Amino acid sequence: DIRMTQSPSSLSASVGDRVTLTCRASQNVGTFLNWYQQKPGKAPNLLIFSASTLQSGVPSRFIGGGSGTDFSLTISSLQPEDFATYYCQQTYNAPHTFGQGTHMEIK
Amino acid sequence: QVQLVQSGAEVKKPGASVRVSCKTSGYTFILHNIHWVRQAPGQSLEWMGWINADNGDTRYSEKFQGRVTITRATSARTAYMDLSSLRSEDTAVYYCARSTLEDGSPRLDSWGQGTLVTVSS
Repeated sequence: DIRMTQSPSSLSASVGDRVTLTCRASQNVGTFLNWYQQKPGKAPNLLIFSASTLQSGVPSRFIGGGSGTDFSLTISSLQPEDFATYYCQQTYNAPHTFGQGTHMEIK
Repeated sequence: QVQLVQSGAEVKKPGASVRVSCKTSGYTFILHNIHWVRQAPGQSLEWMGWINADNGDTRYSEKFQGRVTITRATSARTAYMDLSSLRSEDTAVYYCARSTLEDGSPRLDSWGQGTLVTVSS
């Protein structure tokens, strides 16, 4: 199985900050990489697919990048509604594994 | 709009089986695969498997091979996930999600609300 490792595991930040989350795959996954946001008690919500394509309806402050084994999710200016947990997922090979998540909280 | 509505919470004893249903609407059912993902309390997301809604082909994570069965009823626009030989570690919220394949990597673009399955003696 492909292992997905996210860093940091948790992050404290302020409204207006620019933050970057990273995701590393244990082997090359090309651009078969998706990012999801999850709020407590809710289902995940797709933000980015194919490493850098913004899902319809998602604000443009979410920016995805990378290919191969190293990926990033940047939020250009944090908004109050962005404080949540973020997961990456590879869909290059089954099982379509997720990272352990980055929990973002308000500083 | 696209909707996936799952069945209600379940409490099961160890060794029992559970079925979770996922009723879809708002799109052409056979054009999108359905995936199942679970989340134990306080844990990350764990991919379980998927079904091709058109031809019924399935693919499961090896971790669940032999215990999980995913099926669908095309006329009812509904997918099902059966998990057998339940143990306490299977206590989790189970999600169904629609997969879209066009124009990029497969991704889960619509999710059900989740179904809590509690395994306890």
